[in-house]
Amino acid sequence: QVQLVQSGAEVKKPGSSVKVSCNTSGGTFSSYAITWVRQAPGQGLEWMGGIIPIFGTVNYAQKFQGRVTITADTSTSTAYMDLSSLKSEDTAVYYCARTYCTGGVCPYRGDVWGQGTTVTVSS
Amino acid sequence: QSVLTQPPSVSAAPGQTVTISCSGSSSNIGNNYVSWYQQLPGTAPKLLIFDNDKRPSGIPDRFSGSKSGTSATLGLTGLQTGDEADYYCGTWDSGSLSVVFGGGTKLTVL
Repeated sequence: QVQLVQSGAEVKKPGSSVKVSCNTSGGTFSSYAITWVRQAPGQGLEWMGGIIPIFGTVNYAQKFQGRVTITADTSTSTAYMDLSSLKSEDTAVYYCARTYCTGGVCPYRGDVWGQGTTVTVSS
Repeated sequence: QSVLTQPPSVSAAPGQTVTISCSGSSSNIGNNYVSWYQQLPGTAPKLLIFDNDKRPSGIPDRFSGSKSGTSATLGLTGLQTGDEADYYCGTWDSGSLSVVFGGGTKLTVL
């Protein structure tokens, strides 16, 4: 059974960094596209970026360029999202999601989602 | 301001049918597949429809999707109180090279 288990809630100071992990089980890790989406309190979904391990491809939303780093460790089937220079506006639930690559196509649509990680940025 | 435009809310009675629209442009919906997600209160989003009109395994056929030009539509028939949720459309944007979402539509089953 496919499962994505994310790391626990974090409370961070403005200006610091946070690293959220997403451990996947079921299937071959490198055969999937991993996407990261966040949701601020009471707001909609916002795409941050994604990674396709089999191609070594990483894509970032322009809004987060230079502040977010997405990586993947194929040996532990775990993806990571590192967000730096945190501001209060970064307070949100952060989700990872996975989509199987088929026919050489690896969409970031998110077929299976993690449970979410709450990140609170407060002084 | 979301790249894709959805109505903020829709409502209907149990057993009725409702549709949710999602409007975009040629750089996103017009030339890429659309997905739809259901987010029940306090939970992670769940994929309902992918590639415009395909349902993942386990999604009942009460849910349907369609696309025409630069707009997409999610249909729900036989509404149940358990369908009360926020619904989001999403797709790839070839201009910004990013995934874009609609602002979400809150479905109320009266």
